[in-house]
Amino acid sequence: GQQLNQSPQSMFIQEGEDVSMNCTSSSIFNTWLWYKQDPGEGPVLLIALYKAGELTSNGRLTAQFGITRKDSFLNISASIPSDVGIYFCAGQVDNFNKFYFGSGTKLNVKP
Amino acid sequence: DTGVSQDPRHKITKRGQNVTFRCDPISEHNRLYWYRQTLGQGPEFLTYFQNEAQLEKSRLLSDRFSAERPKGSFSTLEIQRTEQGDSAMYLCASSLSGGQGADTQYFGPGTRLTVL
Repeated sequence: GQQLNQSPQSMFIQEGEDVSMNCTSSSIFNTWLWYKQDPGEGPVLLIALYKAGELTSNGRLTAQFGITRKDSFLNISASIPSDVGIYFCAGQVDNFNKFYFGSGTKLNVKP
Repeated sequence: DTGVSQDPRHKITKRGQNVTFRCDPISEHNRLYWYRQTLGQGPEFLTYFQNEAQLEKSRLLSDRFSAERPKGSFSTLEIQRTEQGDSAMYLCASSLSGGQGADTQYFGPGTRLTVL
């Protein structure tokens, strides 16, 4: 199967700091999705990316579809305590096919 | 609420018992996916349907697992003769195929299975 490497595995930051995390794959992807998951809940979609080089924002979140189509980045600006959770990237090789997920980045925010 | 729903949210069973989970996708979505997630890992693909047709099954889906989507709306995932290794969160997602932006998957809240 496809390998998705997500880093860092975990982060401890102070409220107000900016955060950056990324995913790299061994294959070219056509779609990248970023999700946030709270304990005991399903992942919630944050941002969807469909074209190489695409930069998309959702409030304080910004994600980019890498030019090589093998990576993606998620940035969170001015973090707040409710940003705490696990962030997952997901990539799709062909349209209308399954998604492969990274192993997640656990974000902790100190008030 | 028009999101993906799953039932039950939690299930505790004894080893060897059968369990069945239900997923109701977003109403206009024609694609439905099942994933399994264990602690500290991302979701792993199990199977997916387009309308009522099951188009792909993962090697993770042993013979004890079966999924159906008889009318192309809700889906069920059954695990027979459960084993302790089946303990996980089972997630359902749905999407609408066709065009850019299609196949963006929206997840339900999951069913947490504990096999004793």
